[in-house]
Amino acid sequence: DAGVIQSPRHEVTEMGQEVTLRCKPISGHDYLFWYRQTMMRGLELLIYFNNNVPIDDSGMPEDRFSAKMPNASFSTLKIQPSEPRDSAVYFCASRLDRKNTEAFFGQGTRLTVV
Amino acid sequence: GNSVTQMEGPVTLSEEAFLTINCTYTATGYPSLFWYVQYPGEGLQLLLKATKADDKGSNKGFEATYRKETTSFHLEKGSVQVSDSAVYFCALVHNYQLIWGAGTKLIIKP
Repeated sequence: DAGVIQSPRHEVTEMGQEVTLRCKPISGHDYLFWYRQTMMRGLELLIYFNNNVPIDDSGMPEDRFSAKMPNASFSTLKIQPSEPRDSAVYFCASRLDRKNTEAFFGQGTRLTVV
Repeated sequence: GNSVTQMEGPVTLSEEAFLTINCTYTATGYPSLFWYVQYPGEGLQLLLKATKADDKGSNKGFEATYRKETTSFHLEKGSVQVSDSAVYFCALVHNYQLIWGAGTKLIIKP
């Protein structure tokens, strides 16, 4: 398996624009996580899905953020409208629904909102 | 609730020095414990793990032992290299929930 695949790797956008980040989890994994990483706040869990169903979205900072998982092989994280403070690296991770298993991370999307 | 606490960084060492990065946890029951490493510009990668008390995880010269009596999972390496410079995260899985430490930046000087 190619691992967790995220796109794009880098995104530069203007304030107010819509941004969509994409993630393809490892085939067969039941859990999918979206994280945000910044120097100030470290690694933050935004939302996670189990079998395509959102389980906990309490980490989503505002209504401007939304995430979907229409099927087992694809998820999106959308920011609309984007703001400069959304600049961060966004990671997607997936995991098997089995005790003691680790999460596998994608390479991340570095988002810069100017 | 469940939590992970790891030593604050940055930790700066000279090449070939001995490394310890402390990690303690709070959890009910018997969580699995992990160390992840993040190299500059990359995602997090699993470094090692332990799933029960007294288990020792090891990889790339790094080791960590699951100590239930002290609720600790300290990361050690006998002789660090410049290429070990990265951010290290301690984490646990309990009831399918992932809990992360804040990360410790390690800087190795030649």
